[in-house]
Amino acid sequence: AQSVAQPEDQVNVAEGNPLTVKCTYSVSGNPYLFWYVQYPNRGLQFLLKYITGDNLVKGSYGFEAEFNKSQTSFHLKKPSALVSDSALYFCAVRVYGNNRLAFGKGNQVVVIP
Amino acid sequence: NAGVTQTPKFQVLKTGQSMTLQCAQDMNHEYMSWYRQDPGMGLRLIHYSVGAGITDQGEVPNGYNVSRSTTEDFPLRLLSAAPSQTSVYFCASRSGTVNTGELFFGEGSRLTVL
Repeated sequence: AQSVAQPEDQVNVAEGNPLTVKCTYSVSGNPYLFWYVQYPNRGLQFLLKYITGDNLVKGSYGFEAEFNKSQTSFHLKKPSALVSDSALYFCAVRVYGNNRLAFGKGNQVVVIP
Repeated sequence: NAGVTQTPKFQVLKTGQSMTLQCAQDMNHEYMSWYRQDPGMGLRLIHYSVGAGITDQGEVPNGYNVSRSTTEDFPLRLLSAAPSQTSVYFCASRSGTVNTGELFFGEGSRLTVL
């Protein structure tokens, strides 16, 4: 079975400060990892993914994430948070050949002006 | 460029009523899926399809039926609605030929069962 853990319910950060949203995963096999963002009353939007290769992946809106195989983690980061980054963030995992994408429970990010 | 379109956006049902949530995509995606989103539980996969005529169960399929007669459409049917099915439902699709591809989501359908 594949699963994702997002340990924090809410992340509060001051505008301009670094933002980190944590994600750990559990799979049998090599993972495909994804981050999505959801704004209020909207569908999920894709931010970035790790498939293979460089452990540091860059995505939309200045976000990046680092794949750490030994710690089974895929934390989302942004060097300088904006108020407009306030949203719900989901980590998700899948393995090759498995059509099911498993999501974490989500992290609410609040960026304080 | 419509992407994934879901209808209706809002629906209120009484217990025992039936209804169909519609999902259509115009990206020629082979893979389509339905998720439900509940507070504190993230998104849970209900059913998915890897192509016309092929469907399979996700982690919470009970109470829901699906069919896939065309590439574009993937309706979700509730045969006898229950209050436990009150949720926000999302349809999502991706290219089936690219197993590493990301999902494209619709805007969601908010269902309340009284």
